Amino acid sequence: ETGVTQSPTHLIKTRGQQVTLRCSSQSGHNTVSWYQQALGQGPQFIFQYYREEENGRGNFPPRFSGLQFPNYSSELNVNALELDDSALYLCASSLGAGRGRGTQYFGPGTRLLVL
Amino acid sequence: GENVEQHPSTLSVQEGDSAVIKCTYSDSASNYFPWYKQELGKRPQLIIDIRSNVGEKKDQRIAVTLNKTAKHFSLHITETQPEDSAVYFCPRGGQNFVFGPGTRLSVLP
Repeated sequence: ETGVTQSPTHLIKTRGQQVTLRCSSQSGHNTVSWYQQALGQGPQFIFQYYREEENGRGNFPPRFSGLQFPNYSSELNVNALELDDSALYLCASSLGAGRGRGTQYFGPGTRLLVL
Repeated sequence: GENVEQHPSTLSVQEGDSAVIKCTYSDSASNYFPWYKQELGKRPQLIIDIRSNVGEKKDQRIAVTLNKTAKHFSLHITETQPEDSAVYFCPRGGQNFVFGPGTRLSVLP
């Protein structure tokens, strides 16, 4: 198992609510990437944080936002939840950012259900 | 961005047989080639990776081969076991991984 942890493990919300998901990166890692994985599909890149700055973003609307703290842990915030936001949210930590660097190690994920 | 092409999309093998999954890439500058395994309800797990200065890497029953000329790399699993049943991904991209739909491997007892 990796040293990447996520909380909570499961979450149920209703449409229009807001949610915050948390990720603790592996010791020594300074980069956290967030992914959304719908059932039966591969993970889709949301964004990456490197040394507390956003370092790349996928095709997700602004209501998906994030934060990285000085200890390199990270939060994913989703506002105005929609039914299609129901998915497994994965974070992955790595050391360094940029082409070819930083093998990514995934956390166990947070399963979000929006009703 | 880079496209991910992975073949086959599903693969069924008898226990003890070998399985091969192929991933094609387009970016000539790619220098890192990982394979992830995701069992049902679990996290993607890195099982093997290779850098562009190496043509082949092996770890027990798992191997990865890289063909830079043809721009593809393959995952080889020998002596398959039921616990190898999972979805396998070859994410592409530099700093931001692009995942395709993966290959669903079923090992039949």
